[in-house]
Amino acid sequence: AQSVSQHNHHVILSEAASLELGCNYSYGGTVNLFWYVQYPGQHLQLLLKYFSGDPLVKGIKGFEAEFIKSKFSFNLRKPSVQWSDTAEYFCAASPSGGYNKLIFGAGTRLAVHP
Amino acid sequence: GAGVSQSPRYKVAKRGQDVALRCDPISGHVSLFWYQQALGQGPEFLTYFQNEAQLDKSGLPSDRFFAERPEGSVSTLKIQRTQQEDSAVYLCASSVRQNYGYTFGSGTRLTVV
Repeated sequence: AQSVSQHNHHVILSEAASLELGCNYSYGGTVNLFWYVQYPGQHLQLLLKYFSGDPLVKGIKGFEAEFIKSKFSFNLRKPSVQWSDTAEYFCAASPSGGYNKLIFGAGTRLAVHP
Repeated sequence: GAGVSQSPRYKVAKRGQDVALRCDPISGHVSLFWYQQALGQGPEFLTYFQNEAQLDKSGLPSDRFFAERPEGSVSTLKIQRTQQEDSAVYLCASSVRQNYGYTFGSGTRLTVV
């Protein structure tokens, strides 16, 4: 069965620390991969996506993610977090070529302390 | 409008009551999705529309759940005889076309008491 796993449910960092959130997917075919962010009280927003090509994807607000096919992973990174990055982050996958029926991970709640 | 609009934002229903949740997608968006997000979980797919056609309803948890999009724009998710396990945030998302990123609404938080 298709699934997405996020390793950390809660992460607490100080400002300027580096961030890496793990994401692994389980799917037999070619996938599209996404990271969404949900700031407190707001709707889900797309941070970045990978469909094909360069496996290192750059998104908004200084975030990037690397698709490693051999590890079925799509980890999210940011070299220096800010207090405003406090949010919940969701990794998601969908089969390529379809209509992007997304399978989400359970989410990682990030708290950044000043 | 500029984004996906959902109403109501909050709904409290007594167990056994029927509810209807509305989604206004971005104008011109062909694809529309409904997701259910339980507390502490990621969103789970419920159903997908392309224009007025419901192409995938595999995620609807029971026959108490019904969705429609009769004119290919506004969509309604109806839950009959609500149960406590239906308590969740119901998210709507729309996309300009198939296989493209989509925009989420703020959701409707349903609480069944």
